[in-house]
Amino acid sequence: GQSLEQPSEVTAVEGAIVQINCTYQTSGFYGLSWYQQHDGGAPTFLSYNALDGLEETGRFSSFLSRSDSYGYLLLQELQMKDSASYFCAVRNTGRRALTFGSGTRLQVQP
Amino acid sequence: DADVTQTPRNRITKTGKRIMLECSQTKGHDRMYWYRQDPGLGLRLIYYSFDVKDINKGEISDGYSVSRQAQAKFSLSLESAIPNQTALYFCATSDSRGSHEQFFGPGTRLTVL
Repeated sequence: GQSLEQPSEVTAVEGAIVQINCTYQTSGFYGLSWYQQHDGGAPTFLSYNALDGLEETGRFSSFLSRSDSYGYLLLQELQMKDSASYFCAVRNTGRRALTFGSGTRLQVQP
Repeated sequence: DADVTQTPRNRITKTGKRIMLECSQTKGHDRMYWYRQDPGLGLRLIYYSFDVKDINKGEISDGYSVSRQAQAKFSLSLESAIPNQTALYFCATSDSRGSHEQFFGPGTRLTVL
């Protein structure tokens, strides 16, 4: 089966940089996605990595190392509105849908 | 108008009742999903459908059934609700021809007493 591990909570201050790690175990790995969810809201897509390396989208970047079964989401210039839960999710080639991690709750403090 | 809608948004019911949650989308996507979210457990896949004739069980399908009435509609049923099905339910869609992004509806908060 699939399993993902990510920290349950992270706290950082406004303007700082924070990294949220995700390690996964799966067969036939296809790609790693990241989603953001604010309290009371729906998850929204942030990024997708299928190949090793860093993908940058504005203040957010996502990294993947397939050999280490590891990825991370990097949030720069943190803002209060970044306070939310962040989920990593994997898709493998056998199972055609996503498996989500338990989520990391990020609290940004002034 | 929202691209992915869910009805109802909130529902309180009693043990043993049959409940249907509905999902509609105007995005023209072929793939639809039902997830359940419990505190501290993230999103868990209940069922997914890659087209009208393709229905697949997810990791927690016991106690649930689905119907894909049309490409735009995917409903989730609880034949006999039980209290541990109290959760937040999300519908999502994606396009097999597009990116890997899934688009989520606003969610249905279900309470089973």
